[in-house]
Amino acid sequence: GAGVSQSPSNKVTEKGKDVELRCDPISGHTALYWYRQRLGQGLEFLIYFQGNSAPDKSGLPSDRFSAERTGESVSTLTIQRTQQEDSAVYLCASSFIIGNSYEQYFGPGTRLTVT
Amino acid sequence: GNSVTQMEGPVTLSEEAFLTINCTYTATGYPSLFWYVQYPGEGLQLLLKATKADDKGSNKGFEATYRKETTSFHLEKGSVQVSDSAVYFCALPTSGTYKYIFGTGTRLKVLA
Repeated sequence: GAGVSQSPSNKVTEKGKDVELRCDPISGHTALYWYRQRLGQGLEFLIYFQGNSAPDKSGLPSDRFSAERTGESVSTLTIQRTQQEDSAVYLCASSFIIGNSYEQYFGPGTRLTVT
Repeated sequence: GNSVTQMEGPVTLSEEAFLTINCTYTATGYPSLFWYVQYPGEGLQLLLKATKADDKGSNKGFEATYRKETTSFHLEKGSVQVSDSAVYFCALPTSGTYKYIFGTGTRLKVLA
């Protein structure tokens, strides 16, 4: 079946503009995760959803970042008033929680460049 | 809480060399352990996993054994190929949640 998809694949925006990044998880996956990966770096956890609620949003870097999930499906990560330090690849992952073996399936990422 | 420590890279090997990438963990209970791989320009994909102590995960010639005594989950491959060049991440769930902790990643470069 279809994997996790993200759109757009690339986004170039001017400093100060708002951007929306979209994630379509695998159908039936109850958990959804957002990560940020700066060039050459590891994964930085941002937020995760269980269903439509976010038990842990501790990784959101500032109040310019927000995310929502609807219909236990698609999620949108919004960055307001973008800054150059927001430039990174934003990765989304989803998983189906069963037992203790809930591997995450990742999308290809959205590369965000703030000029 | 749970944590993972991963060997720093980059690691540069010649084709057909033996590979070990170290990963140690601290955890409450016995969570599943995972290795993910990220090829250039792509998202992460699951490479292998182990769900309980002494389990050996394997895929594409890679292996890792869940060692409770040494709290380790080292990734090994007997003969690497140029196509194995990628970044490898060790990961485990946090205690009591479904959030993952990822290691910092180890970049592997295999030379022909």
